[in-house]
Amino acid sequence: KAGVTQTPRYLIKTRGQQVTLSCSPISGHRSVSWYQQTPGQGLQFLFEYFSETQRNKGNFPGRFSGRQFSNSRSEMNVSTLELGDSALYLCASSLFSGQPYEQYFGPGTRLTVT
Amino acid sequence: GQQVMQIPQYQHVQEGEDFTTYCNSSTTLSNIQWYKQRPGGHPVFLIQLVKSGEVKKQKRLTFQFGEAKKNSSLHITATQTTDVGTYFCAGTAGYSTLTFGKGTMLLVSP
Repeated sequence: KAGVTQTPRYLIKTRGQQVTLSCSPISGHRSVSWYQQTPGQGLQFLFEYFSETQRNKGNFPGRFSGRQFSNSRSEMNVSTLELGDSALYLCASSLFSGQPYEQYFGPGTRLTVT
Repeated sequence: GQQVMQIPQYQHVQEGEDFTTYCNSSTTLSNIQWYKQRPGGHPVFLIQLVKSGEVKKQKRLTFQFGEAKKNSSLHITATQTTDVGTYFCAGTAGYSTLTFGKGTMLLVSP
């Protein structure tokens, strides 16, 4: 079974621009969660999608948004990029939502904002 | 909100020594998960504990969930260089989302 895939793997953007990251979950997994990982803050939860609906949202500004498609693939968007948005963005898929099933992480997208 | 604290932040051991990382939650947890992230890699699920006082073993790794379901530990016996990485605990309280600790980075010298 193929693992979670994320594209692109690396991205360099300029402050003020916007970016879209993509995540394809493991086949059959319907829940996709997004995390921001930085050295200082660790892994911080952004949001979770299940059956195309946002189920949970972390404490991030509205510049961070996401969506999920009918095939469970998910995208997250960050608008008006700030230097502090530089981080590793990880998505994780699991079979279901609501209960803490084990999460399978993708390799991440390394975003650098200059 | 729910907070999960993990100590130590960093530990450097000689190969063959034991290692323990501790996880403490500000609230009672429904369950706790442990993940390992190798340098340059992504977190990989290790185990989930659900019951109060539960102890699970995976070869040289022993995981414990406290009686009050507010703390957990991961103990590695006789570390090897392949154990290098950052170990994260992550807990859920009720229907809240999974909250990760900041991790313990383990370095093992041969």
